[in-house]
Amino acid sequence: GNSVTQMEGPVTLSEEAFLTINCTYTATGYPSLFWYVQYPGEGLQLLLKATKADDKGSNKGFEATYRKETTSFHLEKGSVQVSDSAVYFCALLGAAGNKLTFGGGTRVLVKP
Amino acid sequence: DAMVIQNPRYQVTQFGKPVTLSCSQTLNHNVMYWYQQKSSQAPKLLFHYYDKDFNNEADTPDNFQSRRPNTSFCFLDIRSPGLGDAAMYLCATSRDSARGRVQPQHFGDGTRLSIL
Repeated sequence: GNSVTQMEGPVTLSEEAFLTINCTYTATGYPSLFWYVQYPGEGLQLLLKATKADDKGSNKGFEATYRKETTSFHLEKGSVQVSDSAVYFCALLGAAGNKLTFGGGTRVLVKP
Repeated sequence: DAMVIQNPRYQVTQFGKPVTLSCSQTLNHNVMYWYQQKSSQAPKLLFHYYDKDFNNEADTPDNFQSRRPNTSFCFLDIRSPGLGDAAMYLCATSRDSARGRVQPQHFGDGTRLSIL
């Protein structure tokens, strides 16, 4: 079956530091990949997505590139802010249907 | 403007007392999902509706039921809540991704359920 593995947190950074959250996946066929962000007390918000190999998703300074050769979709941001403190979920949508497979989530804490 | 609305944001119920959580959407999406999320964990899919077709996950307890009276509304019923059912319950919607075009899921802000 499909699975998503992402680095465990928490990740603690200083403001303006570089952020990377690793995500790798296992899937049959050609899945679509997503990063969702969850701020404290809120639901999940779609941060970015990529639907085919070598696609780069980007939003709010975050980027992730769909790497089929390494089955990865690592999230990066060049300069984080305190407001980026949240839990980040990598997710996969299989080619066959509508169900998302989530990674375990990575908590990021950005300190001033 | 909120597009997936969950009410209430916080719900407290007693052990064994039935409780209903509600979700509405203004997106006219044909697929609606209910997830359970426990602290610091990924959301766990309970079931989803594809239009009126109900799709239960194999490991969803019988204690959890759902209703979708129309496109806009979906309800989660917990018949006899136990202490282990305390969690955040998330509703999500999407268009159908099975027709070849990827459709992301849109989440509500969730209802946090506490069991006394």
